[in-house]
Order: sequence, then C-alpha cells, then structure tokens
Amino acid sequence: AQSVTQLGSHVSVSEGALVLLRCNYSSSVPPYLFWYVQYPNQGLQLLLKYTTGATLVKGINGFEAEFKKSETSFHLTKPSAHMSDAAEYFCAVTPGAAGNKLTFGGGTRVLVKP
Amino acid sequence: GAVVSQHPSWVICKSGTSVKIECRSLDFQATTMFWYRQFPKQSLMLMATSNEGSKATYEQGVEKDKFLINHASLTLSTLTVTSAHPEDSSFYICSARTGPATGELFFGEGSRLTVL
Repeated sequence: AQSVTQLGSHVSVSEGALVLLRCNYSSSVPPYLFWYVQYPNQGLQLLLKYTTGATLVKGINGFEAEFKKSETSFHLTKPSAHMSDAAEYFCAVTPGAAGNKLTFGGGTRVLVKP
Repeated sequence: GAVVSQHPSWVICKSGTSVKIECRSLDFQATTMFWYRQFPKQSLMLMATSNEGSKATYEQGVEKDKFLINHASLTLSTLTVTSAHPEDSSFYICSARTGPATGELFFGEGSRLTVL
C-alpha cells in the first residue's frame, strides 16, 4: 500500500519568492511520484514526474522536484513565484509500473501575493 | 499531449434522477480509465478503474450499483450516478492511460454534479 502526505494545506508566497511544497510518501515498492496542478473547476495537469534515473526532475512552468529516497520525500520547488502559480497542487504516488493507480496527497493551495 | 474530455462540465439534477457523465480520449485509445471523486477543498479519491470490454473494478466503499461504469469502447467510458441524492454532489474527474501500465495518465477537465 502507498500513501502521500502533503505538509501544509495552504501556502502563501510573495510574487518573486521561492515556492516550496512538501510531499512525503510511503510505498512498499519503488514508487513513481508525480506533481499535478489544478486550477479552479478544472482537471489536473501534470507538472512533473519521477519514475527512475535522475532524482532531480524538471517540469513545466519552471517547477522542479527532487526524489530523496532516504527521506521518502518529493518536494516541489520554483525559484520565483508568479501570480499564475496560484492554484491547488497535488502530490501523487503509484507503485512503480503497477497500473497507474494513483494515490493523492491532500493537496496544497498556493496563494501568491503581489 | 493527449486530450481527455468530459461531458457535461456542469450538471444540475433533481434528487432521485440518474445522471450520466462521459469521458472520452480524443486522440488516443485508452484501454484503462480511472474515475475520481473530489469533494470541495479536498483531494481526489479513486472510485473505480474502468477497463474496456470488462467490468469495472471498484474501490472499497464505493457502491457499484450506485455508480455504474461502462467502458464500451477504447475511447469512451461513462459514469452513471443512479438515483442521485444531494450527498452525491461532487466534482467527478476521469483519467485515461495512453498505453501499458507505464503509460502517462491524462485527466479530463472534470464534471461538477449538483443534486437538488
């Protein structure tokens, strides 16, 4: 079984400041890890994913995340927040290649202040 | 990327009626689709896995007779909420896999159901 914990249901950042969203997971097998973004009343858009290989993965819109097995973490960062980054962000895990049955974290809502 | 479309985006119905939500993969064939439910300000909860040509696999606690899923073709899965009640009001999201188990998932834009 797998689970995902996102620390902080709400994060407020100033425009231009660092965005850091925390995600910790548990998985009985090597995980695949994902970050998705959701804008109001819309579906989910994939920001980035880790499957195997390089532990630092870069995604769209300037986001990146680092897989740290020893810390069971997959934190999402962006060096400089933009107003358009205001949205809900979900971390998700799936047990390797076993069927893409995603388990989502509780989500973190990002507010960007001008 | 691949496109997954849901219809309708918004639906309002009376209590006791049934509502059908469609999930289509527009430019690829999806042997597997997933249905999620999202309550306001909460995360997505997997309801069921829909496989083309076979019965859906429901998650624990999801009533299969309440939420009927049909995956009759490689590009269409439908979710029917039968005898809807106000507590069924929610945001329903589908996702589709582009290929084998390692294929990327693409999500529909969601369907908001309000039961009066």
